[in-house]
Amino acid sequence: SQQGEEDPQALSIQEGENATMNCSYKTSINNLQWYRQNSGRGLVHLILIRSNEREKHSGRLRVTLDTSKKSSSLLITASRAADTASYFCATGLNNAGNMLTFGGGTRLMVKP
Amino acid sequence: GAGVSQSPRYKVAKRGQDVALRCDPISGHVSLFWYQQALGQGPEFLTYFQNEAQLDKSGLPSDRFFAERPEGSVSTLKIQRTQQEDSAVYLCASSSLPDTQYFGPGTRLTVL
Repeated sequence: SQQGEEDPQALSIQEGENATMNCSYKTSINNLQWYRQNSGRGLVHLILIRSNEREKHSGRLRVTLDTSKKSSSLLITASRAADTASYFCATGLNNAGNMLTFGGGTRLMVKP
Repeated sequence: GAGVSQSPRYKVAKRGQDVALRCDPISGHVSLFWYQQALGQGPEFLTYFQNEAQLDKSGLPSDRFFAERPEGSVSTLKIQRTQQEDSAVYLCASSSLPDTQYFGPGTRLTVL
C-alpha cells in the first residue's frame, strides 16, 4: 500500500510557468523526499526535508512540509520543457533502514 | 563515480520461468533496497539489506520472491515460477546514510 498521495495526478503547463505539486501522507515521518522519474528511467533524488524543517530550497525547487497537516508541496519555478517527468514524494519512517514509501506520482508536462 | 547499475535492463520471461535480477550498488554503500514499480504507479518497497544482512523483507509479495546480498555488495533478486502479475519495473537503490537513496535505472520484467 502507498503512504502518500500526490495531487494533481497530472499537470500540463507552458514553459516559464510555475508548477506546484502536493503530497499528503498518513503516518509520522522522519523525512520526506521528492524524486523525479523520466519515462523509462530510474528515480533521481531532488530534495529531502526533515520532519523538523518547514521549507527548503534547491535551485528552482522549493519544498514545504506541514507535519500538522501531514502534507508537503513541491514548487518548480520558471519551468522548462526538460522538467517534463513524473514527480514522486516519498516518506521515510522512524525505523531502521529508512525504507521509502512512495505516493502515486504527479505526471508533469511542460509545453515549449 | 559510477552510480547504481542494474542488469538486465529488460527481461522477458514465460510464465513459470525463474528470473534473476542483479543490482550493483554504489561502492561503499551499506544499505541496499529493492522496490517494485507497476505501470503508472509509485515504487513499492520489497526488501532491505544492511551489508549482507537482510533486515526487512516485509514487502516481498510471496515466497516466490527471494533476495540475497552474500558479500554485502552486489545483490540479486530472484523470482521463481514467474506469474503475469510479476510484470513490473524492479528498482534497486543504495545509500550510505539513513536518508538519501540513489536509484538504478531499473529492470523492466515482462512475463508472458
